[in-house]
Amino acid sequence: EAGVVQSPRYKIIEKKQPVAFWCNPISGHNTLYWYLQNLGQGPELLIRYENEEAVDDSQLPKDRFSAERLKGVDSTLKIQPAELGDSAVYLCASSLRGGTGELFFGEGSRLTVL
Amino acid sequence: AQTVTQSQPEMSVQEAETVTLSCTYDTSESDYYLFWYKQPPSRQMILVIRQEAYKQQNATENRFSVNFQKAAKSFSLKISDSQLGDAAMYFCAYRILSEKLVFGKGTKLTVNP
Repeated sequence: EAGVVQSPRYKIIEKKQPVAFWCNPISGHNTLYWYLQNLGQGPELLIRYENEEAVDDSQLPKDRFSAERLKGVDSTLKIQPAELGDSAVYLCASSLRGGTGELFFGEGSRLTVL
Repeated sequence: AQTVTQSQPEMSVQEAETVTLSCTYDTSESDYYLFWYKQPPSRQMILVIRQEAYKQQNATENRFSVNFQKAAKSFSLKISDSQLGDAAMYFCAYRILSEKLVFGKGTKLTVNP
């Protein structure tokens, strides 16, 4: 069974440019998460989806970040415009409601803003 | 708000020896899950071990075991017979079911040959 797939793995952009990250969760997992991981730190939640509904987006900087999960499967996280401080790893994870409580993570997308 | 504290930013262990990573958490909930995740330099976070708070018995997965002290809100990870492949960042995490996973800041484990 395929795991959580993210793309791109690496992205380098100039500040003020837009960037988008894509995530395909494990088949059948209804909950999807986007986490931000700064260097040497633990991941912090940006947004959590239950199917296509964003149920926790309190930590998402809505002035420049947006996310969508159309049809309750794939998700896209967008930053526009990017700032130097956005350089980090963006992790996507998924889980199954009523499952073991475990989150399954993708390999992450490393963003460098110059 | 729930918080997870890992007081050891870095730890090292000799190959084949045993090491214990510490974790404490703060919550007012009685039913929750605790996890240890491993993140090697390739970055993919993988589950090492999980513990349901209602279970008194400490979880064990091969060389990995936990010491879960619910009253003290402590959840340490013991790695026995350490191997070079155990070198990674280890994150302690807490979750109320159907909510987000809250992570500690991590402990970098170095395994010396």
